[in-house]
Amino acid sequence: KQEVTQIPAALSVPEGENLVLNCSFTDSAIYNLQWFRQDPGKGLTSLLLIQSSQREQTSGRLNASLDKSSGRSTLYIAASQPGDSATYLCGAGSYQLTFGKGTKLSVIP
Amino acid sequence: DTAVSQTPKYLVTQMGNDKSIKCEQNLGHDTMYWYKQDSKKFLKIMFSYNNKELIINETVPNRFSPKSPDKAHLNLHINSLELGDSAVYFCASSPQDSLPGGYTFGSGTRLTVV
Repeated sequence: KQEVTQIPAALSVPEGENLVLNCSFTDSAIYNLQWFRQDPGKGLTSLLLIQSSQREQTSGRLNASLDKSSGRSTLYIAASQPGDSATYLCGAGSYQLTFGKGTKLSVIP
Repeated sequence: DTAVSQTPKYLVTQMGNDKSIKCEQNLGHDTMYWYKQDSKKFLKIMFSYNNKELIINETVPNRFSPKSPDKAHLNLHINSLELGDSAVYFCASSPQDSLPGGYTFGSGTRLTVV
């Protein structure tokens, strides 16, 4: 059974800082790992999808890496902005995505 | 055009009632899902369904049942609602099951049982 852990549970940083969010998963036989953001009271917005054959994906200030052998993924956010404040969720799996409990990010102006 | 749409957005109902939540996707995806997000914001899979197979999370009570009239729709029926069913329910879809592809989520249905 897949288990996904996200560290830290919450993070507060001043605007402009670079930061890293961590995700670990127990079953390395995954097809996909996907990072989402969730704003309060809203749905999940996909940020980056890494397929099992890939090592990383980039979109703007976001970079996600995947190391299947160690069961880890990181989401790197460069030059953080207050608009980045949200909960970030990592989902990993093959037939179904299993999610971690998320990292709540606050970027202080 | 909304990719994955859920209705209603909010649902308030009394204990013991039966209710349904509808989900439609226009992405041409083959697999659809229902997730439950509890008060602690933990997102848990309830069902995944394509034309061939329904996979049910073993922790889901049999009061919950998915119904799919066609590939683009997966509705969630809940019988005899209980207070503990209060949560946000998300529908999602992805390309063909077992093949690489990203999930797209709906905006959620906030269910409150009183």
